[in-house]
Amino acid sequence: NAGVMQNPRHLVRRRGQEARLRCSPMKGHSHVYWYRQLPEEGLKFMVYLQKENIIDESGMPKERFSAEFPKEGPSILRIQQVVRGDSAAYFCASSLDREPLHFGNGTRLTVT
Amino acid sequence: GQNIDQPTEMTATEGAIVQINCTYQTSGFNGLFWYQQHAGEAPTFLSYNVLDGLEEKGRFSSFLSRSKGYSYLLLKELQMKDSASYLCAPPGSGGSYIPTFGRGTSLIVHP
Repeated sequence: NAGVMQNPRHLVRRRGQEARLRCSPMKGHSHVYWYRQLPEEGLKFMVYLQKENIIDESGMPKERFSAEFPKEGPSILRIQQVVRGDSAAYFCASSLDREPLHFGNGTRLTVT
Repeated sequence: GQNIDQPTEMTATEGAIVQINCTYQTSGFNGLFWYQQHAGEAPTFLSYNVLDGLEEKGRFSSFLSRSKGYSYLLLKELQMKDSASYLCAPPGSGGSYIPTFGRGTSLIVHP
């Protein structure tokens, strides 16, 4: 069984560019979560989605960040007009309803 | 977060037992997760306490008291590969089920 797949593993963007991070949940999982982790910091919750619905986006910055989980295809976390402060590891996780989260290997975003 | 309080760092000897405590601000009666994270890697699921009490799984055990906002992770027969960060993850505020994470406890196992 394939686990949670994230790509790319590493992403370098210049300030002002867009970053698109992809996440394919584990087979059978319909709940997707995005977390951000800064160096030496804990995982910070960003958004929780189910197919075609954003359930909880209380951790998402109000501007430049968006997420989707379409009926077909992976979940996408999109960061527009990136700034240096967006440099972090972005982890996606998936789960069954009210079951433990399983994390992907993350995307390391570096903004130059 | 949920005012999650864990020791920043702990050290222990190979073969020993270590207990990592976690206190948090309770906001409901949802369960609590423990994850392990090696440097530069993804968190991996260790345990999920749905109810109060002790859950045992091989060398790892986890205890939860929801009314006290207290949990611990017990690691027995420590191995060098257990050197990692251990993340206590209670649910979010307002009855949310979504796990929230603190900075975790960095465990160093030495020979």
